[in-house]
Amino acid sequence: DSGVTQTPKHLITATGQRVTLRCSPRSGDLSVYWYQQSLDQGLQFLIQYYNGEERAKGNILERFSAQQFPDLHSELNLSSLELGDSALYFCASSVDPGATYGYTFGSGTRLTVV
Amino acid sequence: GNSVTQMEGPVTLSEEAFLTINCTYTATGYPSLFWYVQYPGEGLQLLLKATKADDKGSNKGFEATYRKETTSFHLEKGSVQVSDSAVYFCALRGTSGSRLTFGEGTQLTVNP
Repeated sequence: DSGVTQTPKHLITATGQRVTLRCSPRSGDLSVYWYQQSLDQGLQFLIQYYNGEERAKGNILERFSAQQFPDLHSELNLSSLELGDSALYFCASSVDPGATYGYTFGSGTRLTVV
Repeated sequence: GNSVTQMEGPVTLSEEAFLTINCTYTATGYPSLFWYVQYPGEGLQLLLKATKADDKGSNKGFEATYRKETTSFHLEKGSVQVSDSAVYFCALRGTSGSRLTFGEGTQLTVNP
């Protein structure tokens, strides 16, 4: 157990729908990162939050949004889902905003859009 | 921008064989370098890291040396085990910002 908790582990939904993925960072970590892992794109950085504030944005679609709450858990919202959004979504956390020593990853949420 | 290139997989070895997975990078300045491992059905786990040139990261028998002159961070292990079967990712963190840029991943299968 890495200490980073992601729920749900699996999600199957239809095109056009909206889903929310949840992440609780490791105790003491203030920074949360979201990554998408797909077969054709590899691991793509989506977005980073640090202590409730957006810190960095990567290849995140406009249909996707995220936030980090006062208790430091984070949610990734995916809307108007398309078949191509099927992927593994990972959350990671680090104690400092610069991720000096790397991240701790959760076990991911596998999203299947049908 | 930053990029990481890993040797193409998959790699299949017999138990106790020597392992090398090549990783080269493109970045300005002196990035930090990492190797992560992903076992089936799990998230990525940090295997080892190096934060400055000539540093050697090591863990669980795996080693990698940060070579600035060749912009490389090759992963090596002297004697692999079946339990080392996994996907290995090389990654870098640039000198500004905190995002990690990952390579494509290399699937390693070790046969008994």
